[in-house]
Amino acid sequence: KNEVEQSPQNLTAQEGEFITINCSYSVGISALHWLQQHPGGGIVSLFMLSSGKKKHGRLIATINIQEKHSSLHITASHPRDSAVYICAVLSNFGNEKLTFGTGTRLTIIP
Amino acid sequence: GAVVSQHPSRVICKSGTSVKIECRSLDFQATTMFWYRQFPKQSLMLMATSNEGSKATYEQGVEKDKFLINHASLTLSTLTVTSAHPEDSSFYICSARVNRNHEPSYFGPGTRLLVL
Repeated sequence: KNEVEQSPQNLTAQEGEFITINCSYSVGISALHWLQQHPGGGIVSLFMLSSGKKKHGRLIATINIQEKHSSLHITASHPRDSAVYICAVLSNFGNEKLTFGTGTRLTIIP
Repeated sequence: GAVVSQHPSRVICKSGTSVKIECRSLDFQATTMFWYRQFPKQSLMLMATSNEGSKATYEQGVEKDKFLINHASLTLSTLTVTSAHPEDSSFYICSARVNRNHEPSYFGPGTRLLVL
């Protein structure tokens, strides 16, 4: 079993739909990242959070430390949101390494 | 947000040659830089952790003599793929972070290496 698991692996939705991507992890963490990777390959850090909820534009990220679970939500989805979304956790062992989920490939159809 | 650059963005080389990839933090000093490789449709795999002024720490299975890492300053780390072979063809990504609590990692745009 992977330390970080994401679901779904692939998600196709119509423009305007509300999107939820889930991430579960099995290790103790100090922080969790949500990353976005576009087809060109570059990675953008969307959020880093260790508790509660963060919002940036149409993106919302939540984390429940007790349940070891985080969600990324996209409201009013748009074709430009099509990308791979990756959850990565920073362990609390102090080694600074990120452990990555396998990613969720999101496709928004106009 | 902070910016990390990589150069080159794409490189094609012949088998047996060496390729150097640069990773720079443009507006902050990165105490730690990380090098990853990513094969198509797979997740990022950490290759090594690089701290300024000290030797890099390599992950299990990564040959340190093959993938030379130099973290010469707080804004520059280089990865040299020595005697590259076709199986080294991959997408190489660096990230950088400041060694302070609650600071995120910032990722470079990646370098696509194709070895013929």
